[in-house]
Amino acid sequence: QSVLTQPPSVSAAPGQKVTISCSGSSSNIGNNYVSWYQQLPGTAPKLLIYDNNKRPSGIPDRFSGSKSGTSATLGVTGLQTGDEADYYCGTWDSSLSAWVFGGGTKLTVL
Amino acid sequence: QVTLKESGPALVKSTQTLTLTCTFSGFSLSTSGMRVSWIRQPPGKALEWLARIEWDDDKLYSTSLKTRLTISKDTSKNQVVLTMTNMDPVDTATYYCARMVHDSSGYYFDYWGQGTLVTVSS
Repeated sequence: QSVLTQPPSVSAAPGQKVTISCSGSSSNIGNNYVSWYQQLPGTAPKLLIYDNNKRPSGIPDRFSGSKSGTSATLGVTGLQTGDEADYYCGTWDSSLSAWVFGGGTKLTVL
Repeated sequence: QVTLKESGPALVKSTQTLTLTCTFSGFSLSTSGMRVSWIRQPPGKALEWLARIEWDDDKLYSTSLKTRLTISKDTSKNQVVLTMTNMDPVDTATYYCARMVHDSSGYYFDYWGQGTLVTVSS
């Protein structure tokens, strides 16, 4: 069982918007920055969002991140079939002195 | 251009020791602030962080696997090595190495290797 909790799956139609939640505690999300990773089928994870809401170069602004208290959210607008992937949140856990990931969320674009 | 690539055996037997090598380019682990982590992913399951080594040779391990893991670096070869003892079929997974960076705010993994699948037979 993962330290960070994500919904197993979300879905929406092309062009629509979807959000993926990531819930933690004061020892991880509450006091550390969150990053998000996209894993397309059969590939390695790729950095999507860092420092809660920053996008690396090359990541479209359709992807956004936010954090409030002990939860973080990834938003994806203008959904495309190419966005179908697994999405993971991650952060440092100060109590465990370890990096922790969420259980992952499978995004399906209907 | 930063790249990382994992290498090691595709198949190991139960109780054996696994040795994986991460060979990277585009940065140096002797540079202050640089870190490399190992992360694994069992088939169809979530990512699991295993270990981290820093530029100053500081090391951190997953609490649950701490007794079985050793991470080391060879700065001259641009390599990071992970050993995992007493392998079990539940350790079957794709193993990734990734560069961890820390800016003025938080930590994150900005570059990942392609991963290497390790199967443990009983």
